[in-house]
Amino acid sequence: DGGITQSPKYLFRKEGQNVTLSCEQNLNHDAMYWYRQDPGQGLRLIYYSQIVNDFQKGDIAEGYSVSREKKESFPLTVTSAQKNPTAFYLCASATINLAKNIQYFGAGTRLSVL
Amino acid sequence: AQSVTQLDSHVSVSEGTPVLLRCNYSSSYSPSLFWYVQHPNKGLQLLLKYTSAATLVKGINGFEAEFKKSETSFHLTKPSAHMSDAAEYFCVVSDAALDGGSQGNLIFGKGTKLSVKP
Repeated sequence: DGGITQSPKYLFRKEGQNVTLSCEQNLNHDAMYWYRQDPGQGLRLIYYSQIVNDFQKGDIAEGYSVSREKKESFPLTVTSAQKNPTAFYLCASATINLAKNIQYFGAGTRLSVL
Repeated sequence: AQSVTQLDSHVSVSEGTPVLLRCNYSSSYSPSLFWYVQHPNKGLQLLLKYTSAATLVKGINGFEAEFKKSETSFHLTKPSAHMSDAAEYFCVVSDAALDGGSQGNLIFGKGTKLSVKP
């Protein structure tokens, strides 16, 4: 059963705490992405990676960190520096063939602050 | 730079009537354009994609969109709405040129919430 798995579905963060959101894909995609979704804002790109051990900042990277140690995995850490972390977080993956250029999304993680 | 504007934040239709969700884009070269759908608390699913092969693009679930370069539009339509179409719809442009270029990152519109009344 191929696809993108995000976990957990719901996550709660205490003040000053770092939390990590998991994203795993078995589609053999090279590129992976993290987006943040707020009501009425659409999706905004946090970080992306097109190859293992390399990643780039998106439009709203401050307060977040990522790693790409394996092709299948692209975890996102929401650090204590992110002052407004409550949002719906979506992970996506894609081939790097620009002619195909379709991103496939996971089911999302909803993060709330306690 | 690429950008996309969804002209309505909320559209309400009756079941069985046509759906029109409007999208205008801005791009310095021939864009790749997409429509994605999101049901509540779910990820995004691709409805259709424009890649210059044909200006009228057919997607899943009876949706289609027409690329109009002169109007810089890519409106999404469906002849007859179904209750299961109620969801949020995103118009998306890629920053990759169709003939090659940058990384292929997506720029999302702010979304249009579609309500379907019985």
